[in-house]
Amino acid sequence: DVKVTQSSRYLVKRTGEKVFLECVQDMDHENMFWYRQDPGLGLRLIYFSYDVKMKEKGDIPEGYSVSREKKERFSLILESASTNQTSMYLCASSAGTGTTDTQYFGPGTRLTVL
Amino acid sequence: GQNIDQPTEMTATEGAIVQINCTYQTSGFNGLFWYQQHAGEAPTFLSYNVLDGLEEKGRFSSFLSRSKGYSYLLLKELQMKDSASYLCAVLDSNYQLIWGAGTKLIIKP
Repeated sequence: DVKVTQSSRYLVKRTGEKVFLECVQDMDHENMFWYRQDPGLGLRLIYFSYDVKMKEKGDIPEGYSVSREKKERFSLILESASTNQTSMYLCASSAGTGTTDTQYFGPGTRLTVL
Repeated sequence: GQNIDQPTEMTATEGAIVQINCTYQTSGFNGLFWYQQHAGEAPTFLSYNVLDGLEEKGRFSSFLSRSKGYSYLLLKELQMKDSASYLCAVLDSNYQLIWGAGTKLIIKP
């Protein structure tokens, strides 16, 4: 079974703080993704990575950066947290194309920025 | 632009059948996924369709018509544990997943 873990289920930070969200997958997947999910909206892609040290901007990259130093780990960084970044953050991984593009999700991190 | 449409909310009765529709307009098509998401939890994979027709998997079936840009998820013999949001997502020509906002399914006894 694919397992994707995220460092925290719940996180409370203050405006202006630097925030790190960690994601680790154990299935040797090439692709990793960071999404945010807000009520009434679909999953919105922040950043993704197809390989180590590779990153691509998704639909809403502003205010975020990422790091992928190892294949199994993909980190999301909020350089200076703002209240509009309060959201559920979901990490996912997938193996490749077609059916293997099935994305497997971590449990999510509910971030509150005060 | 790219667009996925699903009803926001549906209600059904335990033991009944429900059909959740999804229409899409995307730049290219490389398959359509359905995911289930219980409140406060991560989405989990239900089905993948890339060819027209019906795919059956136990109580759940998924249908695709590429010419109509249309899919549905059919849930039979509904159980209370099926209360969840159901997300439709399309893989576009760049192999990017485009997500619908999800359909919240409420099951009543």
